[in-house]
Amino acid sequence: GQSLEQPSEVTAVEGAIVQINCTYQTSGFYGLSWYQQHDGGAPTFLSYNGLDGLEETGRFSSFLSRSDSYGYLLLQELQMKDSASYFCAVDTGGFKTIFGAGTRLFVKA
Amino acid sequence: EAQVTQNPRYLITVTGKKLTVTCSQNMNHEYMSWYRQDPGLGLRQIYYSMNVEVTDKGDVPEGYKVSRKEKRNFPLILESPSPNQTSLYFCASSLAGAQTDTQYFGPGTRLTVL
Repeated sequence: GQSLEQPSEVTAVEGAIVQINCTYQTSGFYGLSWYQQHDGGAPTFLSYNGLDGLEETGRFSSFLSRSDSYGYLLLQELQMKDSASYFCAVDTGGFKTIFGAGTRLFVKA
Repeated sequence: EAQVTQNPRYLITVTGKKLTVTCSQNMNHEYMSWYRQDPGLGLRQIYYSMNVEVTDKGDVPEGYKVSRKEKRNFPLILESPSPNQTSLYFCASSLAGAQTDTQYFGPGTRLTVL
């Protein structure tokens, strides 16, 4: 079957750096995306990796290693507003997307 | 303002009573998709559409129907809802499909089937 594995919960303090890992096993792979979802809200796009390496967007960076079927989202200078759920998602091709179960990030003062 | 809208936002219904959840986007996107979100399971794709009159099944299509008669609209139809379809539903759209493209999500529809 197809699966994406990510930790269920991560806790960090304000100002710190946190890394959320995602390993995947899918029948096809075109790219890895990351979405943020606050409680009661809709998922919002954060970043996309189609090739190996690091993509940086402000305080957020995302990394992909296709050979290891692995990626991560790095959040720097954590703020309280970063408390949310984070989902990795694989574009398996043919317009299909598989999401991980999500990682709930708690940011403490 | 570019957006994806869904209606209704909340719905409580009974088993077997047909219902439709509407989804509309104003960004002229070709690709639209429906997901359901359940605790601990993330988002699971129900159906998607690559363009008008072109739809296909996602991972969990059983019990659902869709149609794409116009580019902007992609309604989700539950012909005979059952309690296991109680969930949070999201519609999403993107310009050219899942590949490389940001998916924009609607605000969600919380459905309860009694």
